[in-house]
Amino acid sequence: GAVVSQHPSRVICKSGTSVKIECRSLDFQATTMFWYRQFPKQSLMLMATSNEGSKATYEQGVEKDKFLINHASLTLSTLTVTSAHPEDSSFYICSARGASGRGDTQYFGPGTRLTVL
Amino acid sequence: AQTVTQSQPEMSVQEAETVTLSCTYDTSENNYYLFWYKQPPSRQMILVIRQEAYKQQNATENRFSVNFQKAAKSFSLKISDSQLGDTAMYFCAFMKRAAGGTSYGKLTFGQGTILTVHP
Repeated sequence: GAVVSQHPSRVICKSGTSVKIECRSLDFQATTMFWYRQFPKQSLMLMATSNEGSKATYEQGVEKDKFLINHASLTLSTLTVTSAHPEDSSFYICSARGASGRGDTQYFGPGTRLTVL
Repeated sequence: AQTVTQSQPEMSVQEAETVTLSCTYDTSENNYYLFWYKQPPSRQMILVIRQEAYKQQNATENRFSVNFQKAAKSFSLKISDSQLGDTAMYFCAFMKRAAGGTSYGKLTFGQGTILTVHP
């Protein structure tokens, strides 16, 4: 149980285009989802927290107009990187946290490697 | 704000031996959770073990156990009988909990420790 998927696993795009990454909780309802960014051999950096049906809360320094987050259902959150540039190239990881019984633990997706040319 | 410190950037161990990874944290909270996650080369984050701060008993999961010292704000991970599959980056993480409720905070991660298990 507690499986989280991400799609796509890898994406390469041209500078200036937008890219959407999906995060799904497969066997539980995720009331809260989180989006992280990770550089090689570094820790996870929290970008934003999203609760189903409400606006995402962004961490300080994260551009909300560039990283659009939507959490439209209890099993799906999306991260859209708008007008991507090479400096946005990174590994993006989502996690999901459920309601009672699973509310105290985050379960992570396998990550998406974004390369912007 | 909470901080989590892992002072060992890299460690190595021989297969079948025991290794301990260190983690210290700083918080003024009284209700919280501590976690160890592992991230193997596949980069999938995997929960290793979880400790609730109000529980005095150290958590164990098969070959993995923790030494939780609340007063010292220390949360080390011991891996017994190390296996090649334990090779990964290990992250210690902190999460606060609202007293008496089901409201949980976000995870604060340490810098990570790269563990290599040698045959």
